[in-house]
Parts: sequence; structure tokens; C-alpha cells
Amino acid sequence: ILNVEQSPQSLHVQEGDSTNFTCSFPSSNFYALHWYRWETAKSPEALFVMTLNGDEKKKGRISATLNTKEGYSYLYIKGSQPEDSATYLCAFTMEYGNKLVFGAGTILRVKS
Amino acid sequence: ETGVTQTPRHLVMGMTNKKSLKCEQHLGHNAMYWYKQSAKKPLELMFVYSLEERVENNSVPSRFSPECPNSSHLFLHLHTLQPEDSALYLCASSQDHGGGSGELFFGEGSRLTVL
Repeated sequence: ILNVEQSPQSLHVQEGDSTNFTCSFPSSNFYALHWYRWETAKSPEALFVMTLNGDEKKKGRISATLNTKEGYSYLYIKGSQPEDSATYLCAFTMEYGNKLVFGAGTILRVKS
Repeated sequence: ETGVTQTPRHLVMGMTNKKSLKCEQHLGHNAMYWYKQSAKKPLELMFVYSLEERVENNSVPSRFSPECPNSSHLFLHLHTLQPEDSALYLCASSQDHGGGSGELFFGEGSRLTVL
């Protein structure tokens, strides 16, 4: 059974703090790793899709790294803002055509 | 606006009712998905359709019946549901044929309550 673990479960930070979350996944037969942001009452929105070991992607203040050999990905948020408050989901797939398996998410709350 | 629209947004039904959830995507994508989110659980894949053919049925009970009449529309027909089926049902689409490397575009979900 594929298992995607995300930590921490939830995080409360002050505006301006930088933060990071972890996504752990099985390291064998890796195909792709996705990160999504899910704001309350909205739809999940893709942040990154990563496929190569050592990949680093950036979108504004948010960046992600990928280590497929050890089976983890980090998501970093620099200078957190209240609008960054959301649930951050990662999802993993082995091999082309296999289903995406989602983690339970990390809930981020940024206080102003 | 993600280009994926779900209706209704909220649905309350009794265990003997028959209802349907509808999803429409305006993105020209080839694959469509139903996901279920129960309280405090990860998103759980239910069905995948690629080019209108079902390519994944993730051991979903037969009281959930999907239908994909064309590449832009996906339905989830519901009948004789149980209270434990109460959840948020999310529809998504992607450009690739459910391969996993294309990002998913989600609708806002249909919140289902079974009494």
C-alpha cells in the first residue's frame, strides 16, 4: 500500500516568518510528485509538479525541492503572509498511468 | 475560476434517494477524475476517465455510478447511499491521459450529506 506522509499536520506562524513542510513517499519506482494549495471554500490549486531528482521549483515566495532517492520533498514559504493560510497537499505517483496518492496535508495558519 | 465547474455545491439526501453530481470542464482536457474527501482523511481517488473510457475504478461500492458522456462532462450517480458516504466530492481534470505528470485542475467540490 502506497503511503504519502506529510508533516507537520498543522502549523501556526506569524506574518513574516519563513516556514517549510515535508512530504515523504516511497523511493522506489518514482514517477512524479505534485504540490497543491487548498484554501478554504476554494478548489485545490497546483503549485508544482516535479519529476527529476534534485529538482527545485519556485513560484514567488514558494519553492520546493525533490529527493527521489531518499523519498522526500520540501515546500518552503519565505516571509509568510496571511493569504498563504491554506492546506498544502502533496501527491505521489509511481510509473506512468498510476493513480496519484495524496497525503493528508499540512494546514498552515499565518497570523498578522 | 479553474475551468472546472461542479454542481450542486451542496446536497442533502436520504438513504433511499437517487441523485447525481455533475462536473464540467472547459479546458479541453482528456482525463477527468472523481475524488472523495472524508473528514480528516487524504483525498481518495474514486474513478478516472481518459478519453471517455473508465481507466480506474478504485474499489468503489456500486452505489456510486460514474458516467462520462463526453470529454467535457462527468457525472457521479448516487443511490441508496449510507451516512458514512457523507463527504466532499471533488472533480478534477488533466491534460494527460491520467498519466500522473500533468497537474490536476479541481472543481470546488460538492458537499454531500446523507441522512
